[in-house]
Amino acid sequence: EVQLVDSGGGLVQPGGSLRLSCAASGFTFSSFSMNWVRQAPGKGLEWVASIKQDGSEQYYVDSVKGRFTISRDSAKNSVYLQMNSLRVEDTAVYYCARGLGGFWGQGTLVTVSS
Amino acid sequence: DIQMTQSPSSLSASVGDRVTITCRASQGIRNDLGWYQQKPGKAPKRLIYAASSLQSGVPSRFSGSGSGTEFTLTISSLQPEDFATYYCLQHNTYPWTFGQGTKVEIK
Repeated sequence: EVQLVDSGGGLVQPGGSLRLSCAASGFTFSSFSMNWVRQAPGKGLEWVASIKQDGSEQYYVDSVKGRFTISRDSAKNSVYLQMNSLRVEDTAVYYCARGLGGFWGQGTLVTVSS
Repeated sequence: DIQMTQSPSSLSASVGDRVTITCRASQGIRNDLGWYQQKPGKAPKRLIYAASSLQSGVPSRFSGSGSGTEFTLTISSLQPEDFATYYCLQHNTYPWTFGQGTKVEIK
């Protein structure tokens, strides 16, 4: 069974950092690109970042470029989102998603507030 | 960036009704589009991939059509469990972009 388990969210002050993790199981991790998508409270879905199967290419939405870094570890079947210089507007539930969006994690809440 | 214009933003419908939701892309995206259903407090669930292919396990009352810039999600006979918010997603070009969402409510 395919499973994606998101973790690492929490409360952080503006300007702070947080690292999200997504642990994958039930499929060949190295065969799929991976993504992070977020949803601010009461708002729609926003794609944040993607990483190719071998980690050679990463893509970001403009609003997080230079602040967020997506990475993956095939030995641990995990994908990460390092979030630096966090802003109040980064407050959202963050989901990891496999490939073209066929499977999603349960999400982890990031709250940026003083 | 490719803009996805989804309509309507909300609709009220009754059980058994036929419901149609549309997404228009600001430029051609071939069939690189998926449709998602999201219920409150839950992760999105993909219903349709490649614009018209039904995700495994999804009821056949859901269908998708379109290619290029115009796409449609149809629910042929609305069921109580279908009341939710629906989104389209284009993955043709980075940055990927979602439609604004359509909230389907009970009439």
